[in-house]
Parts: sequence; C-alpha cells; structure tokens
Amino acid sequence: SQTIHQWPATLVQPVGSPLSLECTVEGTSNPNLYWYRQAAGRGLQLLFYSVGIGQISSEVPQNLSASRPQDRQFILSSKKLLLSDSGFYLCAWQGARWGTEAFFGQGTRLTVV
Amino acid sequence: AQSVTQPDIHITVSEGASLELRCNYSYGATPYLFWYVQSPGQGLQLLLKYFSGDTLVQGIKGFEAEFKRSQSSFNLRKPSVHWSDAAEYFCAVGARTGTASKLTFGTGTRLQVTL
Repeated sequence: SQTIHQWPATLVQPVGSPLSLECTVEGTSNPNLYWYRQAAGRGLQLLFYSVGIGQISSEVPQNLSASRPQDRQFILSSKKLLLSDSGFYLCAWQGARWGTEAFFGQGTRLTVV
Repeated sequence: AQSVTQPDIHITVSEGASLELRCNYSYGATPYLFWYVQSPGQGLQLLLKYFSGDTLVQGIKGFEAEFKRSQSSFNLRKPSVHWSDAAEYFCAVGARTGTASKLTFGTGTRLQVTL
C-alpha cells in the first residue's frame, strides 16, 4: 500500500534562517506531488505541485520554492524565512489518473520566531 | 476558477444527533468532489468522494454525501454523531490542469460534539 512520509513534525526557526521540509512517497510510481499550507482558521492553500522529476508549478508568489529531485521525493525550501511563513505545511500525492483522491502526510508545524 | 464555500465555520451537535455540513462549489465542468476530515495537528483523511454515477455517496465512519448539480452542493451527513467525530471537515473540488489534478478546498467546518 502507499504511504507518505513528511518530516519534521514540528519546527521552530528564527526569521532569516533557511528551511527544508521533505516529503517522500512509498508504494507508487510517478505520483503527482503537492505542497499545501494551512493557516489558522483558513483552508488549505496550494503552494506547489509537480507532475514529474524536476517539474514544479508554483501557485502563489512567495518566499518559498520546491524541488523534486527524485520521483517520490518532494522538498519545500526557503533561503530566508519570514514571520508570515509560519503555518502548517502538508504534503500530498495523487495518482495521475483524473478523478483520484489526494493522500496527505501528517504535516509539519512551522513556527518562525 | 473553481471555488468551494463552507458557510458554517463552527457547528456544535449533541452526541447521537444527526449532522449535516454544507458545501457549495463553483466549477465550470463536471466536478469531482471530496470530503476530508482533520483531527488537530494531523493530516487530512478522506471520508468520501464523488466522481460520477450515483449522487448519494457512502463513505467511511458512517458518513454520506449527496451531490446536487442544480444547487452546486455536496453536503455531508451522518445520522448519529459520535464524540469521536469532533474534528475539522473540509470539502474540496478537483479540477484538471494540464496533466495534473488540483484540489481547491473550502475553509473548513469545525465540529464540536457535546455529550
């Protein structure tokens, strides 16, 4: 069966420090991968998605970037964190076939201080 | 662009009572629709989905949802709520973009269950 791993679970980082969140998927090949951010009291905002290695689409201009160095690995990064980057970050994968559901990781709580 | 509206931010029901969470969507083509549940500090778990066929969809944990095209709605229901159902519930609509599918989520409804 497919599983998705996301780490770390929690992270406290100072303003201006770099960020790297990692997500890996097991049990499937060539998944579509997604990074979402969830702010308190708000829904999920799609940040990036990827349909293949090295292919990244950005949904929202921001201080973050994403990379997909391997088929089942998706990384969210920042060179210098801002206070506004605080939030709950969720990685998800979907099959490429139209109509399939997304499966989510357990999320990373990022607090920028 | 697609959008999802969940008009109820917070709902409180008594254990054993029935539940209906509202969801309205906007999408220019035939939608595919989802309901997810999120416990505090956790990821999202799929409750059910609608893609085509029967407009009444059964999900896990005793939940069901009905797709009504004329009302652009996909409301979630449960006949008898359990205390463990307390969580946040998200409705989502899927849209195709190139070779990817993107989900647009509503802002969520937080369910509180009183004993």
